[in-house]
Amino acid sequence: QSVLTQPPSVSGAPGQRVTISCTGSSSNIGAGYDVHWYQQLPGTAPKLLIYGNNNRPSGVPDRFSGSKSGTSASLAITGLQAEDEADYYCQSYDSSLSDVVFGGGTKLTVL
Amino acid sequence: EVQVVESGGGLIQPGGSLRLSCVASEFTVSTNYMTWVRQAPGKGLEWVSLISSGGRTYYADSVRGRFTISRDDSKNTLYLQMNSLRAEDTAVYYCARTSTRYYMDVWGKGTTVTVSS
Repeated sequence: QSVLTQPPSVSGAPGQRVTISCTGSSSNIGAGYDVHWYQQLPGTAPKLLIYGNNNRPSGVPDRFSGSKSGTSASLAITGLQAEDEADYYCQSYDSSLSDVVFGGGTKLTVL
Repeated sequence: EVQVVESGGGLIQPGGSLRLSCVASEFTVSTNYMTWVRQAPGKGLEWVSLISSGGRTYYADSVRGRFTISRDDSKNTLYLQMNSLRAEDTAVYYCARTSTRYYMDVWGKGTTVTVSS
């Protein structure tokens, strides 16, 4: 029962494009708070992938992009590669809870 | 290299206490927001606590009243004092440098806390 809702899993073949949705509400994404995305490879710590809705930290390939509209956000990955297989989490801030909030995470499988 | 390193995890009985530490390198803890995030076995990320650069503290409902976040500026170290531990507190605990826009850009490798009798 995460405040931000993500699909539990998505999959795609190498070279394809996949998107991961993150649905919030009027007290978090819809209130204008930024959405951030993290990639967690198996057995490792999370890594910042996208910040401020659509900004990539240095070193993150431009195959990764983020967008936000209304009470939702999306992470798109183009040119899917085997090393993209990981868990992806969205994150924002919720003003009614006064809490940082995460999505439940989405497992990406590269077929 | 900008990094944080957590320590202090271990096996502890229910009701016990533990203090986690997070030592920062190449940046100053006191001038940044800092966050603790945990991940229970096989589960997703859960925000635990945040301390602002001004020293204001914030807690998830699940730990409020039991956990205390603090920092030692002289040691450039963040802490999480965990009291009245429960089985559901079992997790890997991550320390992360956090921006004022609430994104976490520097993560440690985590320290494992297991609460069990």
